[in-house]
Amino acid sequence: DGGITQSPKYLFRKEGQNVTLSCEQNLNHDAMYWYRQDPGQGLRLIYYSQIVNDFQKGDIAEGYSVSREKKESFPLTVTSAQKNPTAFYLCASKGKETQYFGPGTRLLVL
Amino acid sequence: SQQGEEDPQALSIQEGENATMNCSYKTSINNLQWYRQNSGRGLVHLILIRSNEREKHSGRLRVTLDTSKKSSSLLITASRAADTASYFCATYPSTGRRALTFGSGTRLQVQP
Repeated sequence: DGGITQSPKYLFRKEGQNVTLSCEQNLNHDAMYWYRQDPGQGLRLIYYSQIVNDFQKGDIAEGYSVSREKKESFPLTVTSAQKNPTAFYLCASKGKETQYFGPGTRLLVL
Repeated sequence: SQQGEEDPQALSIQEGENATMNCSYKTSINNLQWYRQNSGRGLVHLILIRSNEREKHSGRLRVTLDTSKKSSSLLITASRAADTASYFCATYPSTGRRALTFGSGTRLQVQP
């Protein structure tokens, strides 16, 4: 099956801990994106990558970091500097014009 | 910052009725897209309209775009209970950042 996978589905973070959210795609897309969604809200762009080994900050990059070492993978690390990380995180890749989304990871703070 | 803003924030209708959602945006766009999100799930692309198009149809969906007013509308005809979801507009800018900007969404509830 072609598509985007995100893992884990739920993730629990302790105070002061860094956690990494996985995003993998087998659609052969160059561009990939990370969004944050708070309850009842729209999506806000955290980071995006147009090509391997390159990425740009979105609107709310503080407290987050990414890497893009492979075309298929775009992991997001939520660092201890992100003081309010509880949210639903969505990864997407872009085809010719439209974006394809993964199922999301819900991050909760213990 | 959120470019697109949807109106209304929430909409409740009966099955068989039509649902209309509106979206406004601020900057010049290359295209505008509508996405659907079922509760707790990822988003699914519904329809795309380019800046040089005024209206587009796909099944029970009809999208209009007015670039002079920087607004778009999504009409779902003959709604079904399965249409219950949140609907988001997203704009792709004509210049600058190569990423979609999403609106705040309309939560649609279709009563059976």
